[in-house]
Amino acid sequence: QQQVKQSPQSLIVQKGGISIINCAYENTAFDYFPWYQQFPGKGPALLIAIRPDVSEKKEGRFTISFNKSAKQFSLHIMDSQPGDSATYFCAADSRGSNYKLTFGKGTLLTVNP
Amino acid sequence: DAGITQSPRHKVTETGTPVTLRCHQTENHRYMYWYRQDPGHGLRLIHYSYGVKDTDKGEVSDGYSVSRSKTEDFLLTLESATSSQTSVYFCAIGSPSGNTIYFGEGSWLTVV
Repeated sequence: QQQVKQSPQSLIVQKGGISIINCAYENTAFDYFPWYQQFPGKGPALLIAIRPDVSEKKEGRFTISFNKSAKQFSLHIMDSQPGDSATYFCAADSRGSNYKLTFGKGTLLTVNP
Repeated sequence: DAGITQSPRHKVTETGTPVTLRCHQTENHRYMYWYRQDPGHGLRLIHYSYGVKDTDKGEVSDGYSVSRSKTEDFLLTLESATSSQTSVYFCAIGSPSGNTIYFGEGSWLTVV
C-alpha cells in the first residue's frame, strides 16, 4: 500500500524552464509535507516543507502548492538550472507518528543546459 | 551537515554473514531512523528509535534488528545477509521542532 504517490518518475527540463513534480496522498491524518533533494552519492536533504494550513509556500525558486481537498501537493522549480539536477522526494508525516516520514518513490530531474 | 556519521560507508559481504551498520549522531536528538533506498522503491523505513532502548519496526523490518544503548548510537544488524539486502542504507535523526529529519551520507552494502 503506497500512501504517497509521486509523479513523474523522471523529468527533463531545459535551463530556465519550470519543473513540476506532483504527489498525492491517501492518509488524511498527514499534516506535514516536506520535499527532499538528493544528489548522487549523498543523503537526501530537506528542501522545503509545508503544513496544510497554507496553500502555498515559496522559498527562492522553489514553491510548494498544496490542495487539501484533493489530497495533492506539488513542487515547482522556477528558472530551473543544471545544478538543480537531482532526485526529488516528496514525503508526508502526521502528528504522533514519532516523525516517521512516508516517502514517494522519487523523481529524477535532469535540467539540460 | 546534521552531525550524523555512518560507518562503514561501503561494504561487500557474503551471503549468510552478519553485518552491523553504525549510526552516530552528535545532535543529542531523541529520534533515530534507518531507511533503505532502492531503485523504484524510494526510501523505506526499516526500524526507528524514539529513545534509548526504545525501538520499533518500520515498513521493511524483516531480516533486520536494531539496538540503541546510547542516545548517540543506533546500530542496524543484518543477522544473516541475503542478496535482497543489497542496498543503500541511510540513517536519519529527528528534530522535535517541526517534524524535520536529517539524513546521513549513506552506507552502500553489497551482498554477494
